[in-house]
Amino acid sequence: DTAVSQTPKYLVTQMGNDKSIKCEQNLGHDTMYWYKQDSKKFLKIMFSYNNKELIINETVPNRFSPKSPDKAHLNLHINSLELGDSAVYFCASSQESGGRNQETQYFGPGTRLLVL
Amino acid sequence: AQKVTQAQTEISVVEKEDVTLDCVYETRDTTYYLFWYKQPPSGELVFLIRRNSFDEQNEISGRYSWNFQKSTSSFNFTITASQVVDSAVYFCALSALNDYKLSFGAGTTVTVRA
Repeated sequence: DTAVSQTPKYLVTQMGNDKSIKCEQNLGHDTMYWYKQDSKKFLKIMFSYNNKELIINETVPNRFSPKSPDKAHLNLHINSLELGDSAVYFCASSQESGGRNQETQYFGPGTRLLVL
Repeated sequence: AQKVTQAQTEISVVEKEDVTLDCVYETRDTTYYLFWYKQPPSGELVFLIRRNSFDEQNEISGRYSWNFQKSTSSFNFTITASQVVDSAVYFCALSALNDYKLSFGAGTTVTVRA
């Protein structure tokens, strides 16, 4: 009964490959996010979707494309992987309230991506 | 734009000592939310507390306590009688009312030695 789940947990791949990370939440939340945590542990927002609509795209390269098939899922597809994409990617979700972001974001376990 | 500063990169204490983690924030919004998250060695991000800008009451939860002071734009976190299981990276974060994202501080690594 995990609240926010991500697959896979670990991903090791070669430069130039295309890969996807999946995220699902069973909390009934309206908003989902992708964050990137770099090697220095710094966490930065990448994307946010509210009711399947993209609302944040924080200067992320076009090689990264999020897809939200429904409110409970937000997947991240990465084309032409580069060494610098190696990081931990966290999915999160929160409940929108009154048309504004007021609620706590709950995070998935993270996907550790290593590009060789 | 929102900014969160955690000036302490690493803190090392002996078990049962108290440890205080500093968090200073900057925002132009009058309504905002402050958070603390814990990232243990296993890597997940665990929510600890959320505080809105209109509620300056301090909060205590077990051995954890938080001190929110708008006058100094600070939201400090104290672990009392630390335990080895408290060893983790602790992140302070800020979210404005109309901003669908968390702005994180750089994190403070706490090591509690037995």
